[in-house]
Amino acid sequence: QSALTQPASVSGSPGQSITISCTGTSSDVGSYNLVSWYQQHPGKAPKFMIYEGSKRPSGISNRFSGSKSGNTASLTISGLQAEDEAEYYCCSYAGSSTWVFGGGTRLTVL
Amino acid sequence: EVQLVESGGGLIQPGGSLRLSCAASGFTVSGNYVSWVRQAPGKGLEWVSIIYNNGNTYYADSVKGRFTISRDNSKNTLFLQMNSLRAEDTAVYYCARWQWQGRAQGMDVWGQGTTVTVSS
Repeated sequence: QSALTQPASVSGSPGQSITISCTGTSSDVGSYNLVSWYQQHPGKAPKFMIYEGSKRPSGISNRFSGSKSGNTASLTISGLQAEDEAEYYCCSYAGSSTWVFGGGTRLTVL
Repeated sequence: EVQLVESGGGLIQPGGSLRLSCAASGFTVSGNYVSWVRQAPGKGLEWVSIIYNNGNTYYADSVKGRFTISRDNSKNTLFLQMNSLRAEDTAVYYCARWQWQGRAQGMDVWGQGTTVTVSS
């Protein structure tokens, strides 16, 4: 149950697009189409943003999109807005009814 | 309104025990998959445990044998019994419901968290 690997930080200017990667192994990300993404603002609970790698829950802006290739999942945020500044976490099913999170990525909107 | 409200956190000495509660409203814990997720100070999220609608339970290796997840259907409440607590268990503990359509797709409802501090 090793944590998935995410970049510690990414940044972008308003209106730009950024992509956050989430690298796992063939035992988690690579084996299952069950990657979810969460946004967390300081002092707040996480918010559900993407599931099954690329699907958006109801109410989530289409500026948020997800994808997966091999052992790496990615979250792309287009048209960056100030309110997107937050911590982002990926989470993958890891088999045997266990799940693993990534270490988190701090997004700064310049 | 679909909601989760945690309680039971506090300061506890190493080796001690604590039971967290998570009261659900707007849905039944018995009919859903529900998890505990924790976040150590300044650190990332860590999946801790899950209870399925059929009652099966599963744990992260870091807490297996020390923590027990359970539920009281009559009170629509989830619990986390934490024994043999260590300093590294210090964290905000969240309960979260899984969105499920044939498989656990992601945690769509989260509580506000309850803080556990393990220190002498």
